[in-house]
Order: sequence, then structure tokens, then C-alpha cells
Amino acid sequence: AQSVTQLGSHVSVSEGALVLLRCNYSSSVPPYLFWYVQYPNQGLQLLLKYTTGATLVKGINGFEAEFKKSETSFHLTKPSAHMSDAAEYFCAVRAAGGTSYGKLTFGQGTILTVHP
Amino acid sequence: GAGVSQSPSNKVTEKGKDVELRCDPISGHTALYWYRQSLGQGLEFLIYFQGNSAPDKSGLPSDRFSAERTGGSVSTLTIQRTQQEDSAVYLCASSLGQGTYNEQFFGPGTRLTVL
Repeated sequence: AQSVTQLGSHVSVSEGALVLLRCNYSSSVPPYLFWYVQYPNQGLQLLLKYTTGATLVKGINGFEAEFKKSETSFHLTKPSAHMSDAAEYFCAVRAAGGTSYGKLTFGQGTILTVHP
Repeated sequence: GAGVSQSPSNKVTEKGKDVELRCDPISGHTALYWYRQSLGQGLEFLIYFQGNSAPDKSGLPSDRFSAERTGGSVSTLTIQRTQQEDSAVYLCASSLGQGTYNEQFFGPGTRLTVL
């Protein structure tokens, strides 16, 4: 079984400031990890994913995340926030095998607010 | 090509009525997923279909929920005798296959309100 915890349901930053959204996971099998973004009244869009290989992954819109197995974390960062980054962000885990293979387990989401 | 489409975009129904929600996946995608997004429970997996294999129904919350996928393409999620706690946004996603490297593409969702 797997689970995801996103620390902070709301994060507020100034435009141009660092964005840090925290995600910790629990998985009984090697995990594959994802960050999705959801703009108001829209579906989910994949930002980035970690499957195997390099632990620092880069995604769209300048976001990146680092998989840290020892800390069971997959935090999302962006060096400089833009107003258009305001949205809800979801961290998700997917089992690499076993009976849960295929389905995504999501965190509770973090709403990012960017103010001028 | 077109993305995942869902209909209706909004559905308001009375408690006790049955509803059907439709999902049109991206053409050629063999895997199809249903998720539910609600205030109290966040985003939850409901069911997924992969090709001609038996669907994984492990996320369906009760026997009032069922889903089918006809011809390996369009899927319908049916909720019988709706309850107020069924109010949520129902999201459909599809992917090229079940494999991990196959990104799940999400539709815009159907917002269900049960009065």
C-alpha cells in the first residue's frame, strides 16, 4: 500500500520568490512519483515525474523535484514564482508493481497563492 | 488530437436518482481510470480498465457504483440511488497503457451535485 502526505494545504509566496511544496510518501514497493497541477475548473496536468534514474527531475514551467529515498520525500520547487503559478498542486505515488500497479494515490493537495 | 472529454460537465440530481457520467478517452489509449475529487476525501481512485482485462474495481466506495467500458473506448460510470455524499467532481483519465512510463491524461471532470 502507498500513501502521500503534503505538508501545508495552503502556501503563499511573493512573485519572484522561491516556491517549495512538500511531499512525503509511504510505499511498500519502489515508488514512482508525480506532481500534477490543477487550475480552476480544469483537469489535472502532469508537471513532472520520477520513475528511475536521475533523482532530480525537471518539469514544465520551470518546476523541478528531487526524489530522496532516505527521507521518503519528493518536494517540488521553483526558483522564482510567477503569478500564473497560482493553482492547486498534487503529489501522487504509483506502485512500480504488485496489486496496486496502475492506480495513482494522491496527496490532499496544496493551494499555491502568488501575490505581487 | 483531442484530449480526454467528459460529459456532462455539470450534473445536478435529486437524492435517490441514478446518474450516468461519460468519458471519452484519447484515441488509441488502452487504459482508462476514474477518480473522484471531493472536499472531504481529496482525490480518490475508483476503478480502472486495461484493454480486455477484468477491471480493477478496488476503489469503488459501494455497490451503488459501477462502470463499464464498451468496445475498449468510451466508459460510463453509473451511480445508483445517489446520496448527498456522492457530490464530488468525477475525473476520468486515460493512458497509452498500464505501464509506468505512460502518462495519465485527465479530462476536465464532471461536477456532480446531489440535492
